Amino acid sequence: QVQLQESDPGLVKPSQTLSLTCNVSGGSIRSGRYYWSWIRQSAGKELEWIGRVYTDGSTNYSPSLKRRVTISMDTSKNQFSLKLNSVTAADTAVYYCARGATGASPGLWFDRWGRGTLVTVSS
Amino acid sequence: DVQLTQSPSSLSASVGDRVTITCRASQSISIYLNWYQQKPGKAPNLLIYGASTLESGVPSRFSGSGSGTDFTLTISSLQREDFATYSCQQSYSNPSFGQGTKLEIK
Repeated sequence: QVQLQESDPGLVKPSQTLSLTCNVSGGSIRSGRYYWSWIRQSAGKELEWIGRVYTDGSTNYSPSLKRRVTISMDTSKNQFSLKLNSVTAADTAVYYCARGATGASPGLWFDRWGRGTLVTVSS
Repeated sequence: DVQLTQSPSSLSASVGDRVTITCRASQSISIYLNWYQQKPGKAPNLLIYGASTLESGVPSRFSGSGSGTDFTLTISSLQREDFATYSCQQSYSNPSFGQGTKLEIK
């Protein structure tokens, strides 16, 4: 059973870079047709997709965050990472890593999630 | 970008009730629509993908239907553990989610 676990950066100061890592266990991030994704949720708001990295290393980002986001994967550690620079209080949220799956049905769905980690942007 | 609007935003129901939640897309998205359940302090859990395919391990009282712009999630007979927030998600374009429907005990 594939499991995902986010790192826990806790508090990040405004204008700094938020860095998160998702450790994947129970399966290789290089195998299958999976899109390894980051999703966040601010208090009381809807889930917001940040971006994803495919098993071949290609990436795709939300247009609203594209200028500030980098997602990468480290196959030697079976991890993928998120960097969000120039953060403000509006970036305070619970950040989830998730596995995006494809299959016989059209589209992409998130079938495995980490537990989520609260990142607070504050001085 | 595709916008998803769920209705109602909140709903009170009793154990044993049949409940339907609606998700409307701002443009046609075929069947590129998925449903999740989320409990407080927990990550979302996939229920339905491809508008109507039940994820493995999800009870059969959950069902999904629809195509194009209008979709529904139905719970045929509410159980106590079903009280949670439900969200739809589309993947026709860059993924986006609805605002959620909070299902509460009456």
